[in-house]
Amino acid sequence: GQQLNQSPQSMFIQEGEDVSMNCTSSSIFNTWLWYKQDPGEGPVLLIALYKAGELTSNGRLTAQFGITRKDSFLNISASIPSDVGIYFCAGRTNTDKLIFGTGTRLQVFP
Amino acid sequence: DTGVSQNPRHKITKRGQNVTFRCDPISEHNRLYWYRQTLGQGPEFLTYFQNEAQLEKSRLLSDRFSAERPKGSFSTLEIQRTEQGDSAMYLCASSFTTGSTEAFFGQGTRLTVV
Repeated sequence: GQQLNQSPQSMFIQEGEDVSMNCTSSSIFNTWLWYKQDPGEGPVLLIALYKAGELTSNGRLTAQFGITRKDSFLNISASIPSDVGIYFCAGRTNTDKLIFGTGTRLQVFP
Repeated sequence: DTGVSQNPRHKITKRGQNVTFRCDPISEHNRLYWYRQTLGQGPEFLTYFQNEAQLEKSRLLSDRFSAERPKGSFSTLEIQRTEQGDSAMYLCASSFTTGSTEAFFGQGTRLTVV
């Protein structure tokens, strides 16, 4: 199945550091969503973006909807141990289905 | 709890058996999605419904797979004659179609075919 390109594939950082990850697509999307998934659980929605150029924050998380509508970025500031998990981007197509990225695995060390 | 509910959480079955999973979406969400996720991959789209109508099916959904949403509320996903390659996490999500259209996921059903 189709998946978006997400980078980096994994990150190992120290507690307190900032994190950046991005997602790119060859297709245009109307909505970008960012999810976090813990082992054995379903993805949990973090941030939703609806307009090109939009910048949205949720606590220590900030995400942007790229101007070209083909990419999105997620930043996490001042990481803490509970940020550990896999982060997925997802784009909503014009037929309203979600296409997911390949995921970024985040590990935070104290 | 008013989130998306999936049952069972885990299912172990022998190859060749049929299995059925259930998803109860968030109340009043008219859109319902099924995804499959294998280890180390992102969720892959299988199919989705608007109310009781099945709008789109992925090529991943072979003839052995069938999904229904008869009354526009809960949905079932059935896999017939299971194969080892069907082992995966099956995720359900729901959303509105207008206004706040974010999709919320259930905890998933992990299928193991032995």
